[in-house]
Amino acid sequence: GDSVTQMEGPVTLSEEAFLTINCTYTATGYPSLFWYVQYPGEGLQLLLKATKADDKGSNKGFEATYRKETTSFHLEKGSVQVSDSAVYFCALMNSGYSTLTFGKGTMLLVSP
Amino acid sequence: EAGVAQSPRYKIIEKRQSVAFWCNPISGHATLYWYQQILGQGPKLLIQFQNNGVVDDSQLPKDRFSAERLKGVDSTLKIQPAKLEDSAVYLCASSSPRSSGTAYGYTFGSGTRLTVV
Repeated sequence: GDSVTQMEGPVTLSEEAFLTINCTYTATGYPSLFWYVQYPGEGLQLLLKATKADDKGSNKGFEATYRKETTSFHLEKGSVQVSDSAVYFCALMNSGYSTLTFGKGTMLLVSP
Repeated sequence: EAGVAQSPRYKIIEKRQSVAFWCNPISGHATLYWYQQILGQGPKLLIQFQNNGVVDDSQLPKDRFSAERLKGVDSTLKIQPAKLEDSAVYLCASSSPRSSGTAYGYTFGSGTRLTVV
């Protein structure tokens, strides 16, 4: 079945550092890929998405590129802020379905 | 537009007791989902409704969990009897392909945090 693997956290960075959170997936067909963010005490929010190979999703300074050859969708940000501290989930939605398969999540902690 | 509403926000029960969670999706969203998020894990689908019919309940532990979506709007998820391993956040989401701004119109509620002691 479909699965998503994320790097384990927590990821601890200083403000303005470069961020990478790795995500790889296994799926049949041609899934769409997503990054969701969960701030403390809040619900899941869509951060960015990509629906086909080589697409780049971007939002709020975060970027991720759909790499079919490596089945990856790594999340990056050039300069993190304290307010980016949250849990980040990589997810996929397989074509023909509308349900999401999530990774375990990666906690990001950014210190001033 | 108003978001997905869930209640209660928190619930603590003893094992073997029963509990029910309520979800009100975004108006007009035909598809409703219940996900279970155990601490330290990603959300896992329990059940998906399209209007008032079940599309996928393959991962719902039917011996103790039940869900309904009467009239194709609100939904209730019930656990009876609860076990310690049911401690989790229960997330409701709704979607519509015609909604903009989210992946396929997917919007999550804030969830109900259940603690079974």
